[in-house]
Amino acid sequence: GDSVTQMEGPVTLSEEAFLTINCTYTATGYPSLFWYVQYPGEGLQLLLKATKADDKGSNKGFEATYRKETTSFHLEKGSVQVSDSAVYFCALYSGGYQKVTFGIGTKLQVIP
Amino acid sequence: DADVTQTPRNRITKTGKRIMLECSQTKGHDRMYWYRQDPGLGLRLIYYSFDVKDINKGEISDGYSVSRQAQAKFSLSLESAIPNQTALYFCATSDTQGLQETQYFGPGTRLLVL
Repeated sequence: GDSVTQMEGPVTLSEEAFLTINCTYTATGYPSLFWYVQYPGEGLQLLLKATKADDKGSNKGFEATYRKETTSFHLEKGSVQVSDSAVYFCALYSGGYQKVTFGIGTKLQVIP
Repeated sequence: DADVTQTPRNRITKTGKRIMLECSQTKGHDRMYWYRQDPGLGLRLIYYSFDVKDINKGEISDGYSVSRQAQAKFSLSLESAIPNQTALYFCATSDTQGLQETQYFGPGTRLLVL
């Protein structure tokens, strides 16, 4: 079946540091890929998405590129802020199974 | 007002009690989901419903049941709660367009079973 792999963390960075959170996946066919963010005390919300190979999703300074050859969708941000502290979930949607598969979530802590 | 609401937001109950978690949505979506979140395990799917007459088990449905009372309402029941059902529970809806499915989550219900 489908699966998503990401590190649990926590990842601790200083403000204005560069962020990378790795995500790799296993899926049949051509899934759509997503990053969701969960701020403290809240539900998950969509951060960005990409639906086909080489697509780049972007939002709020975050970017991720759909790499079919490496089955990856790594999340990056050039300069993190304290307000980016949250848990980040990588996910895929497979049209064949018609369901979303989530990674375990990576906790990011940004310190001033 | 929030598009996906969950009640209660917090609940403490005792082993063996029956409890119900409720979810309502105003997004007009047909698909609704129940997940639980545990540290180190991420989100796991309990049940999902593609419309009012379509209910499906997820990967961890044992000990849970659901009811889809209307397009906008999807309830999760724990018939006889046990301590390992202590978790954060999320309801979600989804908007599926072709090969895309974006999920919209409620704020969560934190459940403690003593």
